[in-house]
Amino acid sequence: GAVVSQHPSRVICKSGTSVKIECRSLDFQATTMFWYRQFPKQSLMLMATSNEGSKATYEQGVEKDKFLINHASLTLSTLTVTSAHPEDSSFYICSGSGSGGPGETQYFGPGTRLLVL
Amino acid sequence: SQKIEQNSEALNIQEGKTATLTCNYTNYSPAYLQWYRQDPGRGPVFLLLIRENEKEKRKERLKVTFDTTLKQSLFHITASQPADSATYLCALTDTGRRALTFGSGTRLQVQP
Repeated sequence: GAVVSQHPSRVICKSGTSVKIECRSLDFQATTMFWYRQFPKQSLMLMATSNEGSKATYEQGVEKDKFLINHASLTLSTLTVTSAHPEDSSFYICSGSGSGGPGETQYFGPGTRLLVL
Repeated sequence: SQKIEQNSEALNIQEGKTATLTCNYTNYSPAYLQWYRQDPGRGPVFLLLIRENEKEKRKERLKVTFDTTLKQSLFHITASQPADSATYLCALTDTGRRALTFGSGTRLQVQP
């Protein structure tokens, strides 16, 4: 199957700082990338959908000015958590798909664990 | 409101038995339903996709059924092995949307 990588795998930062997470599709072109957040013992919650070269579409309740998403190429999307606070501590997972069409398989990255002190 | 429900209690079974996991949904009209496996601290891994016009899909020891009348999908692992121990997530794509909505997952523990 297709491979998606994320970097870093784990990050600890101080409250008020910004953190950037990279998501790369290694062996396919991800026209659409999705960003999810997962709190302990809970399911993945979709944060935003991004198409290469377009602005991301954010889910209700997700602050677009706090979670900046850039999808500048078909193989790279970044999520920047700006002015992070302890409540932003979570497991962030990205996924990519070829066209992002309904039902198309999404290939997930290994996740990034963020801890904000 | 929309819901995707999976049994939150862990399922413990003996090696060699068939594991059956349930996914029920309400107020969705999914064109597709998918099952993923997630290991602790890792991203989900795709297992199977079933379309609304398909009743059953198989892949090796895995079988998925999809009943749009009951609004339910069943996920079976036959001849289960300790290596099958993980959390299994069902996810669906609602009509008109591209993104997946996930259930909370069921943890499967296969005892040797």
